[in-house]
Order: sequence, then structure tokens, then C-alpha cells
Amino acid sequence: DAGITQSPRHKVTETGTPVTLRCHQTENHRYMYWYRQDPGHGLRLIHYSYGVKDTDKGEVSDGYSVSRSKTEDFLLTLESATSSQTSVYFCAISEPPGEQFFGPGTRLTVL
Amino acid sequence: SQQGEEDPQALSIQEGENATMNCSYKTSINNLQWYRQNSGRGLVHLILIRSNEREKHSGRLRVTLDTSKKSSSLLITASRAADTASYFCATDGAGGTSYGKLTFGQGTILTVHP
Repeated sequence: DAGITQSPRHKVTETGTPVTLRCHQTENHRYMYWYRQDPGHGLRLIHYSYGVKDTDKGEVSDGYSVSRSKTEDFLLTLESATSSQTSVYFCAISEPPGEQFFGPGTRLTVL
Repeated sequence: SQQGEEDPQALSIQEGENATMNCSYKTSINNLQWYRQNSGRGLVHLILIRSNEREKHSGRLRVTLDTSKKSSSLLITASRAADTASYFCATDGAGGTSYGKLTFGQGTILTVHP
């Protein structure tokens, strides 16, 4: 398996609280991605990074911010969590134009 | 909006039968990829087909691509109960702003009965 870990794996939080999810890779891939997966929507891209400090928005970026200060780490922050952000979050890495390798996912519940 | 649309949404077959899933997309692509997801797990890459390829094989998997129709199909031959999973197509769009980004379809849920 590609060396990708996500933390935490499960989190329950309350509306209005900040939440940070971490993705860590040991593969030295340039590109890193954050997706959310919801029933009926497949995977939707939130943000991605094409290098240290280089990030861009995806399809569903509102309410999310990201940071990448090191090649191996990509952080996703929900500044003020809402119930609509309850989802499963996946991190992925790649060296385009090839395949993406996915982490195990983080299940986030916002009450 | 989703680039890839998959058909059928769900497929139920018996072990040993073949399973065919279809994917349609809207814009030009560099490549199209298929992924598998077991329940509660991350996605696993199965196969990538480039825009200048028409067919590709990997073990029991056969993928076709018709760029004129903007469609692809994934065939799993001699299916096994262990093939039960969700299958997603994903397109790597052509054009600078699309580089490195995949757009996923909503997936086909395949159930293979022993």
C-alpha cells in the first residue's frame, strides 16, 4: 500500500467548532488532494496541492481551507464546522498524469 | 457537476458471470481511470486508459474507451464474491486548469452472489 495515513480516523464534533484533518505521505508525491464522499455524490474534490505552499480550490471548497508547509503533510481545516460537513474525507496523492493513491479516510460527524 | 456518469447504479450477478459497467463523460480527457472501493475503505486504482488507447486489459479486467462517444466500459470476467464493491470511473481532463485533477462518477455498486 502507498504510504498515506490520515488522522484522526474518526471524529465527532459540535457545530461551530474548528476541526483540522491531517494527511501524511511517505511517497514524496507532488500532488495531494482532499475529497469528501457522500451518498449519491461520489467523490468531490475540496482542495488540492501541487507543491509546498501551492494549493487550489476544487469543486466544493466553501467552508474549507488547506495548508501544505511540507511535502509530506496536507492539512484540511473546517474553520467553523456545520452539519452539512458531516462526511467521509479522503486524502489522495499522485504524480500526474498517473493514478491517485488514497488514504483510509476520516469519518467526521458534526452534531 | 460530475464529469463521469455511471450506469448501472447497481448490479447484482452470480459468481462466474461477467459484469459490465459503463461510464460517460462530457469533456475532452487525457485519460480515464477506474477505481474500486470496498465498503468503508479508501479507493484502489484498477486501470488507466489513455485517450489514444481503445482497449486495455489487466487480469480479469477489460476496459474500453470510445472518445468519439465520450464513453468507457469496465468488464470484469468470471466474477467472484470478492469482487463485490463499488466501482468508480474518473476522468483526467485535458487542458491546463484540469491538470492533475480527477473528476469521479457516482459509482456502480456491484454485488456478486456466491
